[in-house]
Amino acid sequence: EVQLFQSGAEVKKPGESLKISCKGFGYSFTNYWIGWVRQMPGKGLEWMGIIYPGDSDSRYSPSFRGQVTISADKSISTAYLQWSSLKASDTAMYYCASQDSGSFDYWGQGTQVTVSS
Amino acid sequence: DILMTQSPSSLSASVGDRVTITCRASQSISTYLNWYQQTPGKAPKLLIYAASNLQSGVPSRFSGSGSGTDFTLTISSLQPEDFATYYCQHNYRTPPFSFGGGTKVEIK
Repeated sequence: EVQLFQSGAEVKKPGESLKISCKGFGYSFTNYWIGWVRQMPGKGLEWMGIIYPGDSDSRYSPSFRGQVTISADKSISTAYLQWSSLKASDTAMYYCASQDSGSFDYWGQGTQVTVSS
Repeated sequence: DILMTQSPSSLSASVGDRVTITCRASQSISTYLNWYQQTPGKAPKLLIYAASNLQSGVPSRFSGSGSGTDFTLTISSLQPEDFATYYCQHNYRTPPFSFGGGTKVEIK
């Protein structure tokens, strides 16, 4: 069974750095794109970017390029989303999802990130 | 970038009703269109891929249609567990593969 497990909720202060993770089980992690999706409180889904763990090829939405970094370690079937300097506006739920033929068919449970002074 | 617009943004319906949600792309995307369902506090779930293909395990009361710029998601007979927010998403050619703004289906 395909499963994606995300790291736990985080509470950070503005300006701090953060790296959240998404670990895949039950499938060939290396061969499927992994994407990240943001959902701000009470709002819709926003496509942030994707990475191909096999060669770490990554693509970003213009809205998020330069604001976050997506990476992956195929040896441990884990993808990451990181910030170097958080802002209050980064407060949101973040989902990872595996992409098969263009659709996000399996999703992680989400990681809540709260940024507050 | 391709802009995805859903309508309506919300609707009220009763159990047993037929519900139709529309998604429009800012340019032709062929049939590179997916639909997701999200219930409160849960991760989204893939319902339909490639405009009209039902994801495994999804009830047959859900169906999708359309091509080019205009797409629809139809629920033939609304069930209590279908009250949720629905999102379309394109995956045409190059990223970003943006989502529509969502349609919230509420109980009348």
